[in-house]
Amino acid sequence: DQQVKQNSPSLSVQEGRISILNCDYTNSMFDYFLWYKKYPAEGPTFLISISSIKDKNEDGRFTVFLNKSAKHLSLHIVPSQPGDSAVYFCAASVGTSYDKVIFGPGTSLSVIP
Amino acid sequence: NAGVTQTPKFRVLKTGQSMTLLCAQDMNHEYMYWYRQDPGMGLRLIHYSVGEGTTAKGEVPDGYNVSRLKKQNFLLGLESAAPSQTSVYFCASSYSGNQPQHFGDGTRLSIL
Repeated sequence: DQQVKQNSPSLSVQEGRISILNCDYTNSMFDYFLWYKKYPAEGPTFLISISSIKDKNEDGRFTVFLNKSAKHLSLHIVPSQPGDSAVYFCAASVGTSYDKVIFGPGTSLSVIP
Repeated sequence: NAGVTQTPKFRVLKTGQSMTLLCAQDMNHEYMYWYRQDPGMGLRLIHYSVGEGTTAKGEVPDGYNVSRLKKQNFLLGLESAAPSQTSVYFCASSYSGNQPQHFGDGTRLSIL
């Protein structure tokens, strides 16, 4: 059973609009969350993270929101740009344990010019 | 900056053959990891290392062995390849356990 779920395999958004990528988790012990971005034929690259002591973390056009009671987090990209087209992986861990990071299956985002 | 380099990028093997995937990082990172990615699934940790000369099992270690003889290199071995090991393999490294990981570009491995 997947502990980290990304129920939307794909998402299409118009350039300039907001992209919202969702992630749900089942393990209540998770308290550190990361988003990675992956282009075709490349490895994932770290995008943004959030600790469970926060409910929001912002970095430029990227904002991650965490709702602990719902075991849900989301990544907002505003405004979306064509270069944002990629696969986005949500990941979760207990603390910052390097050997306990669980990745979701990913959501493929297409930003249409 | 090379970062994390994986060799080879593609490989086709026959069932029962053996091979070694090489990962090299030039960032002086202590921690290194091997993941596999399968369709519809997230990255799953195979083995990891917290420093030169150390290795440990991850979530899906069966059928694989690893070695970390030098700090900058982390080798993943398949002793007797099976079709179930067809996957994309990613190597990653990090300075410490509480830092995000840097990934290589992956090795696409097909076992026939």
